[in-house]
Amino acid sequence: EPEVTQTPSHQVTQMGQEVILRCVPISNHLYFYWYRQILGQKVEFLVSFYNNEISEKSEIFDDQFSVERPDGSNFTLKIRSTKLEDSAMYFCASNLEAGFTEAFFGQGTRLTVV
Amino acid sequence: AQTVTQSQPEMSVQEAETVTLSCTYDTSENNYYLFWYKQPPSRQMILVIRQEAYKQQNATENRFSVNFQKAAKSFSLKISDSQLGDTAMYFCAFRATQGGSEKLVFGKGTKLTVNP
Repeated sequence: EPEVTQTPSHQVTQMGQEVILRCVPISNHLYFYWYRQILGQKVEFLVSFYNNEISEKSEIFDDQFSVERPDGSNFTLKIRSTKLEDSAMYFCASNLEAGFTEAFFGQGTRLTVV
Repeated sequence: AQTVTQSQPEMSVQEAETVTLSCTYDTSENNYYLFWYKQPPSRQMILVIRQEAYKQQNATENRFSVNFQKAAKSFSLKISDSQLGDTAMYFCAFRATQGGSEKLVFGKGTKLTVNP
């Protein structure tokens, strides 16, 4: 069964360092997302990406964040200068079509900023 | 802006019994989509069931069913014949159909424990 794959599963980084979280969405999907979940809290939307551009972003997704689909298969989230409060679980998701279709989530990357 | 509220932070149920998780939401739209996602200890988000707001019939997926009350903006999840593997966080989520937004708006979740 097709699945969304995220790497790494856990990353520890020093405050101020850049990190890149990687995702391989399901191959024929067209809509891509990043969500984050701070420990014990709800899942929050960060950004959506369609047709090679950002279609929507939340207030959380400031200038420190960027996304890219460099090669037609990977979808990356970059945090330029990490802060302690960026520590969270980051989920990538994709869906084939807009609307009622299921968004498939990856298993998440746990980011710990020390 | 849409909001989703899950008023039960934690619930527990005995194996084989039935449990209902509550969810309310706020929106000014007439058509939208609602979802329940399960997050087991592995942390992966798994779709349990979904409902289109313009459909009056409540969605059902095996042991999982919803009670969708559009006027009350309520979307509860009923799990019948609870199994130990149902132990997880359950998130209610909303997706708009207008304005080009495809994001899911999640509630804070309900931690369900199924006891043997």
